Amino acid sequence: EPEVTQTPSHQVTQMGQEVILRCVPISNHLYFYWYRQILGQKVEFLVSFYNNEISEKSEIFDDQFSVERPDGSNFTLKIRSTKLEDSAMYFCASSEYIGPVNYGYTFGSGTRLTVV
Amino acid sequence: GQQVMQIPQYQHVQEGEDFTTYCNSSTTLSNIQWYKQRPGGHPVFLIQLVKSGEVKKQKRLTFQFGEAKKNSSLHITATQTTDVGTYFCAVNTNAGKSTFGDGTTLTVKP
Repeated sequence: EPEVTQTPSHQVTQMGQEVILRCVPISNHLYFYWYRQILGQKVEFLVSFYNNEISEKSEIFDDQFSVERPDGSNFTLKIRSTKLEDSAMYFCASSEYIGPVNYGYTFGSGTRLTVV
Repeated sequence: GQQVMQIPQYQHVQEGEDFTTYCNSSTTLSNIQWYKQRPGGHPVFLIQLVKSGEVKKQKRLTFQFGEAKKNSSLHITATQTTDVGTYFCAVNTNAGKSTFGDGTTLTVKP
C-alpha cells in the first residue's frame, strides 16, 4: 500500500535554530498537508498546499513557518527560528482530492521535533 | 471555523465489551471523518460520512452521521485488544483544513 514517507523520524534542535522536515507524499496525490500533535493532545492543522501554493493555513502557521515543494517528490516544512513550544510530532499528509469529500488523508509516520 | 467536541476523553473496557465515542457540533457539518491512532503511531483514516443519517459498517465498527448532521458516533462491538488507541473525528473545509476533535482514548483489558 502506498505510503507517505517522513524524514527524519526524530530531530533534536537548539532553540533559535532552523529545522527542515521532509516528506515524500504518495505519488499520485495532488494535495499536501502538515499537521502537528503536541504530546497527548489532538492533531492540529498547520497548512494545506496545492499546485505550488498554500491553500489554507492555520493561526499556528505564522511567519516562522514555510512550506515548499522543491522538486516533483519532496514536500518540506521549514521552521525558521525554533521555540520550545514548537516541540511536537509533525505529521505530513497527502490526499488525492481536497475538500469535504476527499476520501481521507494518508498520514506519514511523523517527525518528533524536540527543541531544547 | 467548524469545531467538534468529542466524548468521552477516555474509555476503559473489558475485552468483549462494546465501546462508543461521540462527536458533536453546534453547527451543521458538511462531512465527518474518523481516524484511529495507535499508541506512538500516526492517524489512520477509517471512514468518511457525508449524508444525513448515514450509517456505515466495517466489521465490528459502526459509524453514524446524525440526521441533522451535527453529530456522529463510532461504535465498536465486542472490543479486542487490537482496538486500543485514540479515535478522532475530523471535519474538512473546502481548502483542505481538517479540524480534529480531542479524541477518545480506548484501553482494553484482556
